[in-house]
Amino acid sequence: AQSVTQLGSHVSVSEGALVLLRCNYSSSVPPYLFWYVQYPNQGLQLLLKYTSAATLVKGINGFEAEFKKSETSFHLTKPSAHMSDAAEYFCAVSVQTGANNLFFGTGTRLTVIP
Amino acid sequence: DAGITQSPRYKITETGRQVTLMCHQTWSHSYMFWYRQDLGHGLRLIYYSAAADITDKGEVPDGYVVSRSKTENFPLTLESATRSQTSVYFCASSPGISGNTIYFGEGSWLTVV
Repeated sequence: AQSVTQLGSHVSVSEGALVLLRCNYSSSVPPYLFWYVQYPNQGLQLLLKYTSAATLVKGINGFEAEFKKSETSFHLTKPSAHMSDAAEYFCAVSVQTGANNLFFGTGTRLTVIP
Repeated sequence: DAGITQSPRYKITETGRQVTLMCHQTWSHSYMFWYRQDLGHGLRLIYYSAAADITDKGEVPDGYVVSRSKTENFPLTLESATRSQTSVYFCASSPGISGNTIYFGEGSWLTVV
């Protein structure tokens, strides 16, 4: 079975500070990992994904994530937060075989303080 | 490029009524999905479809029915709505199997009173 755990349902950072959103996964087979962002009253938009190529994945809007198999982690980072980064962020996992079903974490709401 | 269109965007219905949420995609993606989003649960898969006339249950299928007679449409029906089905429903699509990006619609807010 696959699952993800997002540590911290709410994270607040100051504008210009480092953003770190944590995600740990559980999977019995090699995983694909995703980060999605959701702005208020909108659907989810893909930030980045890991598909077993490079372990450091760069995404849109300056975000990146590193796949660490030994730690079963896929944390999302951005060096300098912008006000526009305020949103809810979801980590998700799917397996490398079979149907393309995503299993989502419970989300982390990011607040950026001016 | 319309992408994925969900309708209605907002719906209030009464307990016991049948409700259908529509989903239409213009990309000819083979896979389509229905998720519900609830506070504290993230998104949970209700049903998915790998192609026209092929559907399968996800994590929380009870109380829901889907069909897919055409590749571009994937309606979700609540046969007898209950208050526990008050949620935000997201339709999504993907061009292929595992690892492909899943693209989401803007959601349908459903309130059952």
